[in-house]
Amino acid sequence: DVKVTQSSRYLVKRTGEKVFLECVQDMDHENMFWYRQDPGLGLRLIYFSYDVKMKEKGDIPEGYSVSREKKERFSLILESASTNQTSMYLCASSGPGQGPQPQHFGDGTRLSIL
Amino acid sequence: AQTVTQSQPEMSVQEAETVTLSCTYDTSENNYYLFWYKQPPSRQMILVIRQEAYKQQNATENRFSVNFQKAAKSFSLKISDSQLGDTAMYFCAFMKLIGNQFYFGTGTSLTVIP
Repeated sequence: DVKVTQSSRYLVKRTGEKVFLECVQDMDHENMFWYRQDPGLGLRLIYFSYDVKMKEKGDIPEGYSVSREKKERFSLILESASTNQTSMYLCASSGPGQGPQPQHFGDGTRLSIL
Repeated sequence: AQTVTQSQPEMSVQEAETVTLSCTYDTSENNYYLFWYKQPPSRQMILVIRQEAYKQQNATENRFSVNFQKAAKSFSLKISDSQLGDTAMYFCAFMKLIGNQFYFGTGTSLTVIP
């Protein structure tokens, strides 16, 4: 089974702090994704990556950056945290193969910015 | 751009009954994939069922089946013999044939009542 591990289930930070959310997958997947999940808005894609050192902006990249130095790890960075970034953050990965490849999700990190 | 619409924010069903969750989408693509994901309370999001758009036959997975109407761009999920463990948020998702980016709906919160 694919395992996607997010470093923290709950995180509380202060406005203006630099925040790192870490995600690791153990299936050698090329593709990794960061979403934020908000009530009534569903999942919105922040950034994704198709390979090491590659990144693509999703629908809501403002205020975020990412890092993919190793294939198994995809980090989301809040450069200067703000209260409107309080949310649930979900990491996902998917691999190559025949037919549609589903995304496999981590447990999520519930981030509160005070 | 692709959009996915889930028009039922909340639904409930009696245990052992059948319930149908609706999903519509908008795309100019001819070939694509569709998914239903389930997110139980405080638990990981997992894949329920998938459908390739070029397949006429509706996908089924045990008690879960879809009604895929390509012309109408509709992809509803039917849950038969509902169980308490089906209580969750359900997300419909669209994926283009090329690339691995998903587009999610806003979700339907389903409660199974004992």
